Amino acid sequence: RKEVEQDPGPFNVPEGATVAFNCTYSNSASQSFFWYRQDCRKEPKLLMSVYSSGNEDGRFTAQLNRASQYISLLIRDSKLSDSATYLCVVNNDMRFGAGTRLTVKP
Amino acid sequence: GAGVSQSPSNKVTEKGKDVELRCDPISGHTALYWYRQSLGQGLEFLIYFQGNSAPDKSGLPSDRFSAERTGGSVSTLTIQRTQQEDSAVYLCASSRAPYRGRGGNEQFFGPGTRLTVL
Repeated sequence: RKEVEQDPGPFNVPEGATVAFNCTYSNSASQSFFWYRQDCRKEPKLLMSVYSSGNEDGRFTAQLNRASQYISLLIRDSKLSDSATYLCVVNNDMRFGAGTRLTVKP
Repeated sequence: GAGVSQSPSNKVTEKGKDVELRCDPISGHTALYWYRQSLGQGLEFLIYFQGNSAPDKSGLPSDRFSAERTGGSVSTLTIQRTQQEDSAVYLCASSRAPYRGRGGNEQFFGPGTRLTVL
């Protein structure tokens, strides 16, 4: 089993849709979790940290489920500009998921 | 302030040659990471430096790969006797020291070096 696994995607959704990605991790001692966004041929940039209690930033909600060892990212009212690859990272391991590609269509 | 910078931005080399890739982290960041990303793939961890601790080299794919971090700042990733499968984007990131008990901090990435081995 890979240390960090993500939904393979690609996700193709219409504007305004709600979409969710999951990311599972194998190291139960992991303590830091992040979602990054990577645009085509660009470097990854932090989208949001994932806190134990869950956190929300505008249309984006991140949650952590320690019992099942996964984190999730929910995007509501998706925009064309949300089209990108979303990477999860478990920082104790410096391991990134392979990424989930999202395309939002008009 | 200035972000993470990498040089060169692009490097084309012939199979068998050695290459050096440079990373200048954000000032004050004690942690530095190297990753590589092949086309359409995720990030592959290579090596991690944290302060004066021994680096975590567990991700280096072979002994042709090595990295140094001088003075706790600039880092150089060296690939000896390059092979075509080394072609990828090499990304460097830096972060502040991990909080005790929290394990990590946001990583800030440089723009990467695109390496092409002919």
